[in-house]
Amino acid sequence: DGGITQSPKYLFRKEGQNVTLSCEQNLNHDAMYWYRQDPGQGLRLIYYSQIVNDFQKGDIAEGYSVSREKKESFPLTVTSAQKNPTAFYLCASSSGSGGADTQYFGPGTRLTVL
Amino acid sequence: GENVEQHPSTLSVQEGDSAVIKCTYSDSASNYFPWYKQELGKRPQLIIDIRSNVGEKKDQRIAVTLNKTAKHFSLHITETQPEDSAVYFCAASTQGGNEKLTFGTGTRLTIIP
Repeated sequence: DGGITQSPKYLFRKEGQNVTLSCEQNLNHDAMYWYRQDPGQGLRLIYYSQIVNDFQKGDIAEGYSVSREKKESFPLTVTSAQKNPTAFYLCASSSGSGGADTQYFGPGTRLTVL
Repeated sequence: GENVEQHPSTLSVQEGDSAVIKCTYSDSASNYFPWYKQELGKRPQLIIDIRSNVGEKKDQRIAVTLNKTAKHFSLHITETQPEDSAVYFCAASTQGGNEKLTFGTGTRLTIIP
């Protein structure tokens, strides 16, 4: 999991602003994922991508957008349409070899809406 | 889609005792079941996983059991130590599918010295 980085560690946003969270991996993994974690809850899947230039909605995609232009990068944009964006955001990656592979997590970004 | 339920939500055990966390899943096609440990403010880290062709797997003080018929799997931690205190998450996914993991809601384990 040391090969996955997220930035920034903390992010503050005013209501009505879009913000983009960075996720980079140097593990040569095909698949990447974005999760949201709220206090006392599990990890909920926002978006995932199994290959460059392709991605799918997860369980809570509304108010979020992603892109996958490079294998190493999977940025997440939290738009103003997301009504309750304050949360801990985790990015993960897996080899995507076609089997069920271990997902490795980045250190997370804590987003706070002021 | 898959639904994973995890119990209990909190668990306190005396140091040296055993801890057991249980999860059930709904999709009979699921065949990969990882467990993650998350310390406060840190990233989740894989501690053990099991695939549906195996009923039990051990790694030192940690073991996971799987009952495919009943669609449940459990994490067992023996000889607990203070550093075992954390939140533990179970998850399930289908090999050969879209590799999407569905997570349980987590168990906060506290080891009492």
